[in-house]
Amino acid sequence: GAVVSQHPSWVICKSGTSVKIECRSLDFQATTMFWYRQFPKQSLMLMATSNEGSKATYEQGVEKDKFLINHASLTLSTLTVTSAHPEDSSFYICSATPRAGLMNTEAFFGQGTRLTVV
Amino acid sequence: AQSVSQHNHHVILSEAASLELGCNYSYGGTVNLFWYVQYPGQHLQLLLKYFSGDPLVKGIKGFEAEFIKSKFSFNLRKPSVQWSDTAEYFCAVSPNQAGTALIFGKGTTLSVSS
Repeated sequence: GAVVSQHPSWVICKSGTSVKIECRSLDFQATTMFWYRQFPKQSLMLMATSNEGSKATYEQGVEKDKFLINHASLTLSTLTVTSAHPEDSSFYICSATPRAGLMNTEAFFGQGTRLTVV
Repeated sequence: AQSVSQHNHHVILSEAASLELGCNYSYGGTVNLFWYVQYPGQHLQLLLKYFSGDPLVKGIKGFEAEFIKSKFSFNLRKPSVQWSDTAEYFCAVSPNQAGTALIFGKGTTLSVSS
């Protein structure tokens, strides 16, 4: 199957600093990628939809100025957590769908990034 | 708004027992349905998916799911679980539209004792 790679797998940062997470589709192009957040023992919550060449679409309650998304190419989307605080500590997961212009395609997920803000 | 409901939060079974995990969704249109598994410390893996056709879908590792449109359900089943099936299971739904995200259920933790 298609491969989606996230980097880093885990990161620890100090409160007030910013952290960038990369999501790459390694063997396909993805005009659309999705960013999810998973709290311990909970489900994946969609944060935003990342569209190549245009602004991301954020879900209700997600601060766009805090979670900056850039989708600069067909194989790379980045999520930057700005001025991170301990409550931003979570597991962040991206997904991408090959041939996003078509229906009935499976989404592939990155391995996730564990962010710990101290 | 779409939503996915998984009825069982934590299921504990002995090896060789049969498994059924419930999943119901709310969405008025055509949907794509998925079950994902997340083993401890690993990322999500697709177990099976339904787009159209035969409502009984067979996936990897002996899992299957049945789509019952009238009940808005997509329950996951396995006739005989193994210790290695211990994991978190997520049901997910997406509208049958290009470029739409998956909406996940809260997940079910399956613990299988040997």
